Amino acid sequence: GQNIDQPTEMTATEGAIVQINCTYQTSGFNGLFWYQQHAGEAPTFLSYNVLDGLEEKGRFSSFLSRSKGYSYLLLKELQMKDSASYLCAVRDRNYQLIWGAGTKLIIKP
Amino acid sequence: IAGITQAPTSQILAAGRRMTLRCTQDMRHNAMYWYRQDLGLGLRLIHYSNTAGTTGKGEVPDGYSVSRANTDDFPLTLASAVPSQTSVYFCASSDNYNSPLHFGNGTRLTVT
Repeated sequence: GQNIDQPTEMTATEGAIVQINCTYQTSGFNGLFWYQQHAGEAPTFLSYNVLDGLEEKGRFSSFLSRSKGYSYLLLKELQMKDSASYLCAVRDRNYQLIWGAGTKLIIKP
Repeated sequence: IAGITQAPTSQILAAGRRMTLRCTQDMRHNAMYWYRQDLGLGLRLIHYSNTAGTTGKGEVPDGYSVSRANTDDFPLTLASAVPSQTSVYFCASSDNYNSPLHFGNGTRLTVT
C-alpha cells in the first residue's frame, strides 16, 4: 500500500529552527508538496519538490531525496504564527495525491 | 478575490437526510476535488473531476456523489447521511493534474 509518515507533533522555540521530516512509500513519484494548515482553516500551499535537492523560499526550505523516499521542511527564525499543522503529500504514478496525517507544530515563546 | 467558495460553513444533519455541499471556483481551474479530513488521518479523496463533464472516484467514494456540469461548480451530495460521515469537507481545485491544489475554507458537517 501507499504510505506517508510524519511525526504527529513537534515543539520548538520562537526564533529557533525546526525540521519536519516526511518519508513516503508510493506507487511511483510525480512530485512532493508541503502545505500549512492553521487550526480551523484550509491548507495552503508552501512548496513543491520534484527533483532531488533543496528548494528555498524565504524562511521556509524543502528538501527531497527520491532514492531515500524522504523529504523535510525546514522552518527558520520561527514565529508564533508558524504554529500550525504541516502536511506532506506525494503525487503517485497516476498523479493522485497521497497525504500524510500532518505534523502539528507548537511554538513556545 | 479569486478563490474557492464552499457552502454551508457548517451544518448539523439528521441521519438519513440528503445534503448537498456546494463548491464554486472562479479561477477557471480544470481539476476539482472533494476531500474529507478527520482527526489523526490525512486528507482522503472522495471524488474528483479532471475537467468539466467528467468525474472519478477517490479513496472513499461510498455514500457520496458528485457532478461537474460546468468548470466552476462541483457539488457533493450525501444521499442518506450516516454518523460516520461526520467530518470536515474541503473542496479544492488545480489548474492541471500537476499543479498545487487551492482549497476552500471547508464545511464542518455533523451527522446525528
